[in-house]
Amino acid sequence: QSALTQPRSVSGSPGQSVTISCTGTSSDIGGSSYVSWYQQHPGKAPKLMIYDVTERPSGVPARFSGSKSGSTAYLTISGLQADDESDYYCCSYAGSYTFAIFGGGTRLTVL
Amino acid sequence: EVQLVESGGGLVQPGGSLRLSCAASGFTFSNFWMHWVRQAPGEGLVWVSRIHTEGSSTNYADSVEGRFTISRDNAKNTVHLQMNSLRADDTAVYYCVRGLYGPSVGFDYWGQGALVTVSS
Repeated sequence: QSALTQPRSVSGSPGQSVTISCTGTSSDIGGSSYVSWYQQHPGKAPKLMIYDVTERPSGVPARFSGSKSGSTAYLTISGLQADDESDYYCCSYAGSYTFAIFGGGTRLTVL
Repeated sequence: EVQLVESGGGLVQPGGSLRLSCAASGFTFSNFWMHWVRQAPGEGLVWVSRIHTEGSSTNYADSVEGRFTISRDNAKNTVHLQMNSLRADDTAVYYCVRGLYGPSVGFDYWGQGALVTVSS
């Protein structure tokens, strides 16, 4: 099964909003309520930002939100801050055998 | 405080074996599915394997099926990844990860990672 498709890079200015897309198929995102998003700073372990499509773990700012339409999931970051500059990965449930599949990652640059 | 600490990484020749271990603390280990996720240098994240809370069920990515074995010891709060027939493309940082619950791909705690290098 191929990785989920994410844009290689996105950018935005401080205070603006950006949306990162993550496209899969009916076998993963399209058929699942289990999509998550991770933030990874260079040299660090990933951090869970969104799970189950729209849920935010405790401690994650409300500026981060998740949604899904068909086989595409979205991560929206509003009120961009310098510290949001990072790599972002989506992940979807892909069935009881394969279980999980990640996207290729998106580099967010805060201009 | 939840902690996941990996050990056992290192340099191994192609065709060789390595066993990663992950020591968990700060939570009721036996209540959570545990996973391994890897990341090749400069590349993205790849899910590798998971194990049920009681060790009764396991899953693997196609790329490691038949070569890797995940196991756990709930008495010692540890999870292991036995890696056999290693190939160059297995070179990666391997993260021990806690799953939120059964089918969720919400991985809420990650270890610091263990580097595995497969090279002659």
